[in-house]
Amino acid sequence: AQKITQTQPGMFVQEKEAVTLDCTYDTSDQSYGLFWYKQPSSGEMIFLIYQGSYDEQNATEGRYSLNFQKARKSANLVISASQLGDSAMYFCAMRERGGGSYIPTFGRGTSLIVHP
Amino acid sequence: SAVISQKPSRDICQRGTSLTIQCQVDSQVTMMFWYRQQPGQSLTLIATANQGSEATYESGFVIDKFPISRPNLTFSTLTVSNMSPEDSSIYLCSVAERASGNTIYFGEGSWLTVV
Repeated sequence: AQKITQTQPGMFVQEKEAVTLDCTYDTSDQSYGLFWYKQPSSGEMIFLIYQGSYDEQNATEGRYSLNFQKARKSANLVISASQLGDSAMYFCAMRERGGGSYIPTFGRGTSLIVHP
Repeated sequence: SAVISQKPSRDICQRGTSLTIQCQVDSQVTMMFWYRQQPGQSLTLIATANQGSEATYESGFVIDKFPISRPNLTFSTLTVSNMSPEDSSIYLCSVAERASGNTIYFGEGSWLTVV
């Protein structure tokens, strides 16, 4: 079974509007971390936001926020006030702490296109 | 956050040749990894680069094809050997940075096209 599921291969949003990118995960660990990355056409992977499984508040970083629903095992990324430069691939990733591994598992990604 | 420099950023390689990608980090990091991203795909972990010892490879990746070195805490190389068109990918160096709670950061990536 996939550990990270991103069900939206592609999303479109109008500039200045908000958009939610879905991510669900599967783990039996109690301690884990969730990440979102942005990959523009240049290919680099840009770290956006992190949520720890014990964090009580949803993570926020500027226009990015993570809607963390632990019981539903979902960690959706919300981008507010979309900009043209937000057009990119977005990857959700999870790192499980079991065994002391720092290695994250990545989802298949969602392609976001922001329209002017 | 850690600053990761990766080179080359792009290259076009001849079939059968080998290319070495370098990864330099500006701080000491807990772990270094190498990923491959084939066109239109997600990231696949090749191996964990271990300082002063052999890398730990994931299933489907072998040392003869992807030799990795990590002579110190801030530098690693990945060689893609005897390249074929199927090796055309983005290769990404990444690190777990202790100072930021082992957040995973990536280099800019190396686009390799094998012709």
